[in-house]
Amino acid sequence: AQSVAQPEDQVNVAEGNPLTVKCTYSVSGNPYLFWYVQYPNRGLQFLLKYITGDNLVKGSYGFEAEFNKSQTSFHLKKPSALVSDSALYFCAVRGTYSGAGSYQLTFGKGTKLSVIP
Amino acid sequence: NAGVTQTPKFQVLKTGQSMTLQCAQDMNHNSMYWYRQDPGMGLRLIYYSASEGTTDKGEVPNGYNVSRLNKREFSLRLESAAPSQTSVYFCASSEGTGLLFVYEQYFGPGTRLTVT
Repeated sequence: AQSVAQPEDQVNVAEGNPLTVKCTYSVSGNPYLFWYVQYPNRGLQFLLKYITGDNLVKGSYGFEAEFNKSQTSFHLKKPSALVSDSALYFCAVRGTYSGAGSYQLTFGKGTKLSVIP
Repeated sequence: NAGVTQTPKFQVLKTGQSMTLQCAQDMNHNSMYWYRQDPGMGLRLIYYSASEGTTDKGEVPNGYNVSRLNKREFSLRLESAAPSQTSVYFCASSEGTGLLFVYEQYFGPGTRLTVT
C-alpha cells in the first residue's frame, strides 16, 4: 500500500522568508508525486507534479518541489513567502502497482501554512 | 468554462435520510472521483469512475453508492445517512487514470454535509 506523511501540522513563516513544507512517501514502484493547495472554503488546486526527470519541479505561484529518491521525500519550497500563500497544503502520491484502487492518489493529512506579515 | 461544479453547497440531514450529491464537469475529462475530507484525515477516496460506464470502490466506500450518468456527471448517493458521514465532500475529475496516465485532478468547491 502507498502512504504519505506530512510531519508538520502547521508551519509558520515570516513574509519574505523562504518556506518549506515537508512530505515523505512510501510506494511500490516508481512514485508519482503531487502538491495541492486549499484556500479556506474552497476545493483543492493543483500546484505541481513529479513524474520523472529533473529532481526540481517548478509549479504555479512560484512554488517548486524537490524530489529525493534516497530520502523518499518531496518537499515543497518557495524562496520568498507571501501572506497570500497562507493555506492548507496537501502532498499526494500514486504508484505503479496493479490491484484494487490502483493508480489512485493517496493524500497526506495536510499542513497549514501561515505567513506572518 | 465552469470546471467542476457541485450541488448543493450545504446540506443538513437527519439520521436515516437519503440524499444525492451532484457533480458535473465541462472539461471533457474521462475520469471522475468522490472524496471526503475530515479534520486531520486529509482526503480519502470514496469511489471513482475511470471512464464512462465504469465505477470502482476507493478507500472508504461503505454507506455510499455512485452513478456515472454520462461523461459529464458523477453522482454520490447516501441511502441512509449516519452521523459518521458528516464531512465535506469533494468531486474531482482528470483527463484519465491508469498505469500510463499521470494527470492532475481538478476539484469542485465541495459540499458541506451535516448529519444529526
